[in-house]
Amino acid sequence: GAVVSQHPSRVICKSGTSVKIECRSLDFQATTMFWYRQFPKKSLMLMATSNEGSKATYEQGVEKDKFLINHASLTLSTLTVTSAHPEDSSFYICSPAVRLADNEQFFGPGTRLTVL
Amino acid sequence: AQSVAQPEDQVNVAEGNPLTVKCTYSVSGNPYLFWYVQYPNRGLQFLLKYITGDNLVKGSYGFEAEFNKSQTSFHLKKPSALVSDSALYFCAVREDTGTASKLTFGTGTRLQVTL
Repeated sequence: GAVVSQHPSRVICKSGTSVKIECRSLDFQATTMFWYRQFPKKSLMLMATSNEGSKATYEQGVEKDKFLINHASLTLSTLTVTSAHPEDSSFYICSPAVRLADNEQFFGPGTRLTVL
Repeated sequence: AQSVAQPEDQVNVAEGNPLTVKCTYSVSGNPYLFWYVQYPNRGLQFLLKYITGDNLVKGSYGFEAEFNKSQTSFHLKKPSALVSDSALYFCAVREDTGTASKLTFGTGTRLQVTL
């Protein structure tokens, strides 16, 4: 399967700071990037979808000014959690995809964010 | 709107016994169905998918799943469970819209395989 990396794998920050999470598809070019959030013992919640070079489309209830997504190239996307609060603590997972709907998505290893 | 249901929060199986993890789905058109596995503090790993063709799909690590259109189900199975299969399993569905639309995930089923 495709190789997807996320950096950092784990981050602890103080409340009010911003955190940037990078997602890279190492061996294929992703025209679409999905960002998910996973709460403990819960399913994945899609936060937003972005296409390379376009603005991200956010799911209902997700604050676009708080979760900034940049999909600058076909191999790199970033999620910035701005002014983080303890309730933003979660496991964030990226998923680059190609346009064909029958292709499986591949997922990054995830980033564990803890906001103190 | 598409949806997925995994009715069991947890499935317990003894090693060597067959296992089944249940999944039912709802879409308005043709479904693309997927199973993923997640190990602790890791991202999701693809196991198998049903797009079209044979209803029985074989995937990684000896897993298989059976697509049943009349029952709108896509249960995950393995003939002989291993302790290393213990993980969180997610069923997912995507509607055939011709483009890479979003996956909808079930709530996950934790599989516990014991000696």
